[in-house]
Amino acid sequence: ETGVTQSPTHLIKTRGQQVTLRCSSQSGHNTVSWYQQALGQGPQFIFQYYREEENGRGNFPPRFSGLQFPNYSSELNVNALELDDSALYLCASSLGAGQGDYGYTFGSGTRLTVV
Amino acid sequence: DQQVKQNSPSLSVQEGRISILNCDYTNSMFDYFLWYKKYPAEGPTFLISISSIKDKNEDGRFTVFLNKSAKHLSLHIVPSQPGDSAVYFCAASYSGTYKYIFGTGTRLKVLA
Repeated sequence: ETGVTQSPTHLIKTRGQQVTLRCSSQSGHNTVSWYQQALGQGPQFIFQYYREEENGRGNFPPRFSGLQFPNYSSELNVNALELDDSALYLCASSLGAGQGDYGYTFGSGTRLTVV
Repeated sequence: DQQVKQNSPSLSVQEGRISILNCDYTNSMFDYFLWYKKYPAEGPTFLISISSIKDKNEDGRFTVFLNKSAKHLSLHIVPSQPGDSAVYFCAASYSGTYKYIFGTGTRLKVLA
């Protein structure tokens, strides 16, 4: 059973640029959630995708967008990058919304630095 | 507004002793709580959960206690081992929602 894989592991972007982060969900999972973890903070919910549709969204502006593909993998896109977007971006897969004895399975994250 | 709070940023415990990590929440609608452990350069790993119909859940060395009236939960690790050294996050959700609210984490250091 493979876990959640995220790519790239690190990247550096310039303010104003656009970035795409990728996530392959754990085998058997149909739901992907994205979280942003700023330094010294807990993960904050960005959005969740279920069956290729956005299933809920946190308090993030529209320049944060996503996709889920038929194989349940997912992308997070961020346009017009700002310095405050620098953070660890975590992808989590689950079967359903994540409530249950096992919660999410997280990937190792993508560390984004905006300069 | 921080709905889930972990007021201790760090904790040091001797190997073999008990580690107690605390978490407070403000939203009385939360009905499901989890603890995650995070090592550097890795994603959070699920540790243990508890639903609001229980006040205790055990899994090996890990026990989570829930006090709904105080809106407080705690994670007990007995006995603590050096491999338990990590950042621990509590998270909460409520039925029908699709997201977890995480605390800011507590860094546990178990001293050999």
